[in-house]
Amino acid sequence: QVQLVQSGAEVKKPGASVKVSCKASGYTFTTYAIHWVRQAPGQGLEWMGWIHAGDDDTKYSQKFQGRVTLTRDTSAGTAYMELSSLRSEDTAVYYCARDSSGYVVHWGQGTLVTVSS
Amino acid sequence: DIQMTQSPSSLSASVGDRVTITCQASQDISNYLNWYQQKPGKAPKLLIYDASNLETGVPSRFSGRGSGTDFTFTISSLQPEDFATYYCQHYDNFLALTFGGGTKVEVK
Repeated sequence: QVQLVQSGAEVKKPGASVKVSCKASGYTFTTYAIHWVRQAPGQGLEWMGWIHAGDDDTKYSQKFQGRVTLTRDTSAGTAYMELSSLRSEDTAVYYCARDSSGYVVHWGQGTLVTVSS
Repeated sequence: DIQMTQSPSSLSASVGDRVTITCQASQDISNYLNWYQQKPGKAPKLLIYDASNLETGVPSRFSGRGSGTDFTFTISSLQPEDFATYYCQHYDNFLALTFGGGTKVEVK
């Protein structure tokens, strides 16, 4: 069965960077794109971007362009999201999610990133 | 950029009620519209894809319709496990995703 397992919670200081991993299993990793979606406490869902695990193509939300970097390691079957210049407003649960031609069936469990001085 | 306006932002309903949520796109999006359910502390769950297609395993009391700019999501008879937050989500030709603001369905 398809599984996406994310790395654990992080606490970071303002201005720092965070890198969250998403290990995929149960399917051919390089066939699909991985989206990253975040959710601030009590707020809605916000799309950050995607990376195609096969050809390394990426697309970023304009809001995060220049501050987020999506990468993947095909040998490890793992996708990564790195967010830099963190501020308090970046405190959120970050989800990875496997694309299925525009919709998402399979999600990671979420990773809480807390930005606090 | 296309904006997705979802309404209402919250509603109160009772078990057995018919519940309808709307999602309006700022421009024509054809049928590139999906619906999710999210419960506290959990990842979203896909219910409807491409405006009206029921995801495998999802109960038939959930339905969606619409095309162009106006979409509706309906729960025909609300069940206790349906109290949750619902999101619409658009995808474009580049697979960029845009979510609506969400609708929290609460107990009346």
